[in-house]
Amino acid sequence: QVQLQESGPGLVKPSETLSLTCTVSGGSITSYYWSWIRQPPGKGLQWIGYIYYSGSTNYNPSLKSRVTISVDTSKNQFSLKLSSVTAADTAMYYCARSGDDYNFGYFDLWGRGTLVTVSS
Amino acid sequence: DIQMTQSPSTLSASVGDRVTITCRASQSITYWLAWYQQKPGKAPKLLIYKASSLESGVPLRFSGSGSGTEFTLTISSLQPDDFATYYCQQYNSYSSWTFGQGTKVEIK
Repeated sequence: QVQLQESGPGLVKPSETLSLTCTVSGGSITSYYWSWIRQPPGKGLQWIGYIYYSGSTNYNPSLKSRVTISVDTSKNQFSLKLSSVTAADTAMYYCARSGDDYNFGYFDLWGRGTLVTVSS
Repeated sequence: DIQMTQSPSTLSASVGDRVTITCRASQSITYWLAWYQQKPGKAPKLLIYKASSLESGVPLRFSGSGSGTEFTLTISSLQPDDFATYYCQQYNSYSSWTFGQGTKVEIK
């Protein structure tokens, strides 16, 4: 079955760029929308943004100036870059599938998540 | 942005109880609402989409209802495996999706 796996550094210094990759296995990345979602320790969920397999994107307005999501269909991967990080960006970061053209907007498949800590 | 407000924030219940969680949107989202269950240390799990559609494999004791700005998630008979935190999420627009703050269901 389709599985998602996040990867990337678990520690990022303040003011630097957080970079994560989500690898989709057991299925194709094409024809779907893919999202990043984060959860600070002990807090709720925040949608960061999505990308369509074709490359079109949409970002949370509160993070838009710092976020870039990209896709590599040849590797079945999509990636997140969050620039100028601060301690407030410390969170568990999840990648998730957010539907296709017919069922779009909810997250039916999630990765296990990766904890990213922002600290010097 | 559309704001989502869940109530209560915490709910104490016993096995076998009927449990209802409410989610209110700051403006109409028609029926573009999903519900998730999250257990400690785990990723959220989709329970309900389009306000009342049960995700495949989710037990029938879970149900969703509502439209417009008010929605409910009901667990008809609470089971030990159901103690968790529940989140609603709106996906009314292509521009920004938002979650409620969560409702923790605890053992009474």
